[in-house]
Amino acid sequence: DVKVTQSSRYLVKRTGEKVFLECVQDMDHENMFWYRQDPGLGLRLIYFSYDVKMKEKGDIPEGYSVSREKKERFSLILESASTNQTSMYLCASSLRGRETQYFGPGTRLLVL
Amino acid sequence: DAKTTQPTSMDCAEGRAANLPCNHSTISGNEYVYWYRQIHSQGPQYIIHGLKNNETNEMASLIITEDRKSSTLILPHATLRDTAVYYCIVKGNNNDMRFGAGTRLTVKP
Repeated sequence: DVKVTQSSRYLVKRTGEKVFLECVQDMDHENMFWYRQDPGLGLRLIYFSYDVKMKEKGDIPEGYSVSREKKERFSLILESASTNQTSMYLCASSLRGRETQYFGPGTRLLVL
Repeated sequence: DAKTTQPTSMDCAEGRAANLPCNHSTISGNEYVYWYRQIHSQGPQYIIHGLKNNETNEMASLIITEDRKSSTLILPHATLRDTAVYYCIVKGNNNDMRFGAGTRLTVKP
C-alpha cells in the first residue's frame, strides 16, 4: 500500500513564526503536492513538484515556499505564519504519468 | 477540467447499497472520472476511477453512462464506517485535483 506520512497531525504556532510541514512517501513517486483545505473552499493547491529540486506554483502559493531535496520528502514552509494560514494541510503523491494521487492524514495548523 | 455536480447529502441504511450520483456534462474525451472520500479529520482516500468503461474494485463500483456525462459510485453493502464526504472529480492531463463540495453520505444503523 502507498503510504504518505506527515510530520504532525496537530500544530499550534504563533504569528510570525517560521513553520515547517514535512511529508514523506514510501512508494518512489515522482510527483508530490501540497494542498490546504478550508470549510466551503474545498482543497486548494499550494505547490507541487515533479522531481527532486523541482517545484511549481499552484493556485495559492503566496506566503508559502517548498523544498524537495530528496525524492521521498516534500516540505512546506511558512516563512512568517499568519492567522489566515490556519488550515488543514494535506500532502499527496503520485507516479509520473499516473493521475491517481494518494494523500497523507493531514496536519491541522492553528496560528495564534 | 470539467466541473462536477453532486447532491449535498445522502442517507443510506447500513447493509444496503449506497448509490452516489455525479453529473459532469462538460467532460472531455481524455478526462477520467475519479472518486475519493474523506472521513472526518483525515486525508482524502482514493476509491476508484474510470474513463468510459464501468469499473469495480474491492471498495466500490463505478458506472459511467455511455455519453460520459454522468456517473454513479456504488458501495454495495454500506457500513457505518462508510460515512464520509464523497468527491467526484473529473481530471485531465494536468496535475491538480479539483475537489468540489462533495456529497456527505451518512450510513444509518
